[in-house]
Amino acid sequence: GENVEQHPSTLSVQEGDSAVIKCTYSDSASNYFPWYKQELGKGPQLIIDIRSNVGEKKDQRIAVTLNKTAKHFSLHITETQPEDSAVYFCAASTSGTYKYIFGTGTRLKVLA
Amino acid sequence: EAGVTQSPTHLIKTRGQQATLRCSPISGHTSVYWYQQALGLGLQFLLWYDEGEERNRGNFPPRFSGRQFPNYSSELNVNALELEDSALYLCASSHGTTGETQYFGPGTRLLVL
Repeated sequence: GENVEQHPSTLSVQEGDSAVIKCTYSDSASNYFPWYKQELGKGPQLIIDIRSNVGEKKDQRIAVTLNKTAKHFSLHITETQPEDSAVYFCAASTSGTYKYIFGTGTRLKVLA
Repeated sequence: EAGVTQSPTHLIKTRGQQATLRCSPISGHTSVYWYQQALGLGLQFLLWYDEGEERNRGNFPPRFSGRQFPNYSSELNVNALELEDSALYLCASSHGTTGETQYFGPGTRLLVL
């Protein structure tokens, strides 16, 4: 069935270093890939998204890359700050459907 | 623009009782989605409503049900509560059935004792 694998499950980095979180999806029809950040006690917040007609998208310190052939997409956070500490979820979706398939989440800790 | 709102923020019930959770979508959004997030786990899709109709449901028993009102707000009902229903219940909304981006509310934390 449809599946999104997300790695790593936990990630600790020193403040100022970069963090990379990777997801792999199984449904080749997927064409929309959002990333959400969830802080403790809060709902997930959309931080960046990418569509399948684009290979890379950047927004300040956050970037997402997509490799459609390999069915991989990754979140890159540069110059990490303590406030980046949260759980990050990737998701895959197909236009015209309701369905988000979420990854299992990555707990990012940025050490000051 | 106001985001998705949910009420109550916390709810404590005992086993066998019923819980009702409410969600107001972003203005202009017609689709509402419900997710369950058990402690330490990912988001599990529960229900999707659009234009007042239930469009699909996830792999949950029938005691999880809901509805969408004419103003597009939604209600999730959980009957015959079980201990394992304790979780954060998240509501999201989007622009109709082809609006890919779902925006989440802060959630309702349900504790079943």
